[in-house]
Amino acid sequence: EVQLVQSGAEVKEAGESLKISCQGSAYDFATYWIGWVRQIPGRGLEWMGIIFPGDADTRYSPSFQGHVTFSADKSISTAFLQWSGLKASDTAMYYCARLRRGSANYHFDFWGQGTLVTVSS
Amino acid sequence: QSALTQPASVSGSPGQSITISCTGTASDIGGYNYVSWYQQHPGRAPKLVMYNVNHRPSGVSGRFSGSKSGNTASLTISGLQADDEADYFCSSYTSTNTPYVFGTGTKVTVL
Repeated sequence: EVQLVQSGAEVKEAGESLKISCQGSAYDFATYWIGWVRQIPGRGLEWMGIIFPGDADTRYSPSFQGHVTFSADKSISTAFLQWSGLKASDTAMYYCARLRRGSANYHFDFWGQGTLVTVSS
Repeated sequence: QSALTQPASVSGSPGQSITISCTGTASDIGGYNYVSWYQQHPGRAPKLVMYNVNHRPSGVSGRFSGSKSGNTASLTISGLQADDEADYFCSSYTSTNTPYVFGTGTKVTVL
């Protein structure tokens, strides 16, 4: 069964750096886009962007461009989301999800369990 | 790109049917058949329950159905059950500079 397993919860201070991970299994990780979605506690879902592990092609939402970086290592079936300078407003749950894109599809069919990031000021 | 508009809450009794609406624009829902719906139980990750307007993923109950008319999509849950109590988010591909947008979310309560 397709699974995405994310790294554990993080507590950081404002200004610190952070890199969280998302490891896929039971499918060809390099051939599906991975998306990142933010959910502030008690709020809705926000599309942050996507990365194609096969060639590291990335697309960022303008709302997150320049503040986060996506990367991937297909040899270990893992995608990463990183910040170089966290803000208190980055406090949220972050989900990775596999994107079905192309061939008349555009939806997230499998999701990771989420990584809670707490940033204190 | 603004979020798609959903009612904040919808409720129904066990066995009843409810419908959740999701309103967008011609740049998203109205322009594409890439409307999806996600169910999220408290403390859990979202789960895909409908894609391409009216396609159910394997394993999702036939009590869930989807439709679209113009700029508005809908998710109907028939034969409401206790386990259907959750938050539901619609989403759509868009032609704007953010190619994917989610709805504001609807809390479904089973009375």
